[in-house]
Amino acid sequence: QVQLQQPGAELVKPGASVKLSCKASGYTFTSYWMHWVKQRPGQGLEWIGEIDPSDSYTNYNQKFKGKATLTVDKSSSTAYMQLSSLTSEDSAVYYCARRGAQRADWYFDVWGAGTTVTVSS
Amino acid sequence: DIQMTQSSSSFSVSLGDRVTITCKASEDIYNRLAWYQQKPGNAPRLLISGATSLETGVPSRFSGSGSGKDYTLSITSLQTEDVATYYCQQYWSTMYTFGGGTKLEIK
Repeated sequence: QVQLQQPGAELVKPGASVKLSCKASGYTFTSYWMHWVKQRPGQGLEWIGEIDPSDSYTNYNQKFKGKATLTVDKSSSTAYMQLSSLTSEDSAVYYCARRGAQRADWYFDVWGAGTTVTVSS
Repeated sequence: DIQMTQSSSSFSVSLGDRVTITCKASEDIYNRLAWYQQKPGNAPRLLISGATSLETGVPSRFSGSGSGKDYTLSITSLQTEDVATYYCQQYWSTMYTFGGGTKLEIK
């Protein structure tokens, strides 16, 4: 079945960077764009950006340019998001989510379980 | 950016009630509207796409309607397992945006 696997948690120090992973299985990785979504504790969902695994084309929410960098490794069907210069404002759950293939289907049909990032010294 | 506004951040409801959650876009999104359900500690789950299309496995007590800027998620006869937060999302623009969420609580 279609799955997106994410590590459960990351503890990182302020000012550091972290690279989150999202391993896809059960479908052709390069056929579906991958998205990343942020959710701070008790808050709503915030779209970070998207990447086309076939050619690594990216599209970012302007708010996250310079903060998040999206990449993929086609050989392992894994998407990555690197977050840099971390502060307490970056403590959140980060989800990866698959976008539908057709223009009419650009909703997020499959979600990973999320990685909780805690920024603390 | 297209702003998505869910008018109520929370509802107190009774089991068996009919519930209607509204979502308003700042411009026409041509039915490119999805609804997600999120239970505490879980990832969001896609319920409805294209404003009205129910995903496979979603109970038929859920339905979506609307057009243009205004959209609605309805739940007939609320069940215990429907207690969750519901988000709308537009995908007309590739600056994807979510509503602020509507949390359902039991009276």
